[in-house]
Amino acid sequence: EPEVTQTPSHQVTQMGQEVILRCVPISNHLYFYWYRQILGQKVEFLVSFYNNEISEKSEIFDDQFSVERPDGSNFTLKIRSTKLEDSAMYFCASGREGQLRGETQYFGPGTRLLVL
Amino acid sequence: AQSVTQLDSHVSVSEGTPVLLRCNYSSSYSPSLFWYVQHPNKGLQLLLKYTSAATLVKGINGFEAEFKKSETSFHLTKPSAHMSDAAEYFCVVSVAGNTPLVFGKGTRLSVIA
Repeated sequence: EPEVTQTPSHQVTQMGQEVILRCVPISNHLYFYWYRQILGQKVEFLVSFYNNEISEKSEIFDDQFSVERPDGSNFTLKIRSTKLEDSAMYFCASGREGQLRGETQYFGPGTRLLVL
Repeated sequence: AQSVTQLDSHVSVSEGTPVLLRCNYSSSYSPSLFWYVQHPNKGLQLLLKYTSAATLVKGINGFEAEFKKSETSFHLTKPSAHMSDAAEYFCVVSVAGNTPLVFGKGTRLSVIA
């Protein structure tokens, strides 16, 4: 069964450093998402991406964040200058084309980012 | 705007006894509702979903949930808990396909032998 994969599984970085989190969505999916979960808090939406552009983003997704689909398979989240409060589990998700109610988003295992 | 409230942060049951994880939602539109499960160090796995068909939804691993519009609830149940059910469970709402999901805070289920 196809799965969403994410690398790395864990990342430790120094405050102010740039990080790139990588995701390989399910191959025939066209909608891509990033969510994050700060320890002890809810899973929060960051950004959605469709047709090579951002379709929606939350207030969290400020100028420090960017997303890219550099080739036909990868979907990346870049944080330009990490802050302590960026420490969280970051989930990538993908969905098939369609706006029908109930379309499922399939999640990857997450990348745990720790900013020191 | 949509929101989800999971009424219990932690539920503990004995193996073989029923499981009830409670969820209430708020939505301006007819919602789609999901339950996802997260085992330790694993991703979020879809357990079941409600769109607009049958109000009693059956999912994987013997779980089911009932959509009750009058109570704005979507509680998750299982007749008999298994040790492998110990995990974090998230109730999730969306209003259209491929729009951002709104998560509840999660309920941690412990199963005691």
